[in-house]
Amino acid sequence: NAGVTQTPKFQVLKTGQSMTLQCAQDMNHEYMSWYRQDPGMGLRLIHYSVGAGITDQGEVPNGYNVSRSTTEDFPLRLLSAAPSQTSVYFCASRLQGFNTEAFFGQGTRLTVV
Amino acid sequence: AQKVTQAQTEISVVEKEDVTLDCVYETRDTTYYLFWYKQPPSGELVFLIRRNSFDEQNEISGRYSWNFQKSTSSFNFTITASQVVDSAVYFCALSAFIQGAQKLVFGQGTRLTINP
Repeated sequence: NAGVTQTPKFQVLKTGQSMTLQCAQDMNHEYMSWYRQDPGMGLRLIHYSVGAGITDQGEVPNGYNVSRSTTEDFPLRLLSAAPSQTSVYFCASRLQGFNTEAFFGQGTRLTVV
Repeated sequence: AQKVTQAQTEISVVEKEDVTLDCVYETRDTTYYLFWYKQPPSGELVFLIRRNSFDEQNEISGRYSWNFQKSTSSFNFTITASQVVDSAVYFCALSAFIQGAQKLVFGQGTRLTINP
């Protein structure tokens, strides 16, 4: 099993550019989410999805869009990158139910200059 | 509010010392789960343990042990006889229904450095 696959691993963007971070999982998990990790802030929830066609905002959604057309894929779009979006991004998936562990991708280190 | 606090930003100890990482949480729910994750220097997040709110038994796994106390809303993690390979950032997390949806809320993380 590949688990959760995130691409790319590293990315440098110029302010105002757009891009999509890809996330795919092969565990048939209903629940997927995106976090950003910043020093001293832990992991903060950006967006999440409880199943195909259903998405909702997390703690820090501004500047990001998501969609969930299939169970497997949950891409994160930056519409107009800003330096404040420089961060490490993690995609996670888990089975439905708050007792389940989350499986994480390897992370994407994004720098916006 | 659902919140997790890891007050220790960084801890540095010498190999073979015991070390305890603190985790304090806030929730109004009576049913919830607590987790610990490890993030080694390579960057991935690794699941360590899960504990539900009704199970206050301490857990031991090799050199790792966890102490869950509902009375103080704490879920502390102890590494006995620490090793250099234990160097990592450790996250405590709370899983509960928040605003009608299941969410996993993380603490700020504790960076643990084990010096040889």
